[in-house]
Amino acid sequence: SYVLTQPPSVSVAPGQTARITCGENNIASKSVHWYQQRPGQAPVLVVYDDSDRPSGIPARFSGSNSGNTATLTISRVETGDEADYYCQVWESGSDHPIFGGGTKLNVL
Amino acid sequence: QVQVVQSGGEVKKPGASVKVSCKASGYTLTSYGISWVRRAPGQGPEWMGWISAYNGHTNYAQKFQGRVSMTTDTSTNTAYLELRSLRSDDTAEYFCARHQGDYGEYYFDHWGQGTLVTVSS
Repeated sequence: SYVLTQPPSVSVAPGQTARITCGENNIASKSVHWYQQRPGQAPVLVVYDDSDRPSGIPARFSGSNSGNTATLTISRVETGDEADYYCQVWESGSDHPIFGGGTKLNVL
Repeated sequence: QVQVVQSGGEVKKPGASVKVSCKASGYTLTSYGISWVRRAPGQGPEWMGWISAYNGHTNYAQKFQGRVSMTTDTSTNTAYLELRSLRSDDTAEYFCARHQGDYGEYYFDHWGQGTLVTVSS
């Protein structure tokens, strides 16, 4: 069964680039999806299928997936990007999702 | 325009049951699966199970087997989560989320706004 490992927190200054990783052995064989959750709000899908963006999500959000690590990259970080970010894959054998532990993005 | 609206917050005593609703509009419930995910304070998301509104098939997380029921009412386009024998560690925000994507690679493209369930004596 997959265990998705994320760093507990990432800190960046406004205008810089944040990279949030999601690790698991051979994660490149799975489609990875990313969610943003601000305090008191529902999660929002920001990247799906490794690198696609839903409509309405700024191009500053991008994703990649290679080897054992998937990465969510947020360019030109804004204070409004401060939130928890979760990666997710679907475990097809047991037919359910697996979530990473989450990464808190701090915008200094 | 797709919208998913959940029922309001609940306060329950230990041992009680809670039933949370999730009403979909802008799409037909039977065309998608619905998962229920909860998030306890300070914790990451925890998947509880999912239901196919098309055929009623359910898949519950082992942790909740025997204590959870997920149902749908296609006449009102609404999904329901019932959790029984509540404990204090069931205190969490509960979300419904619509499945999207290819079979075996699902993700969640629309979420309800969340329902806070507080279990306290």
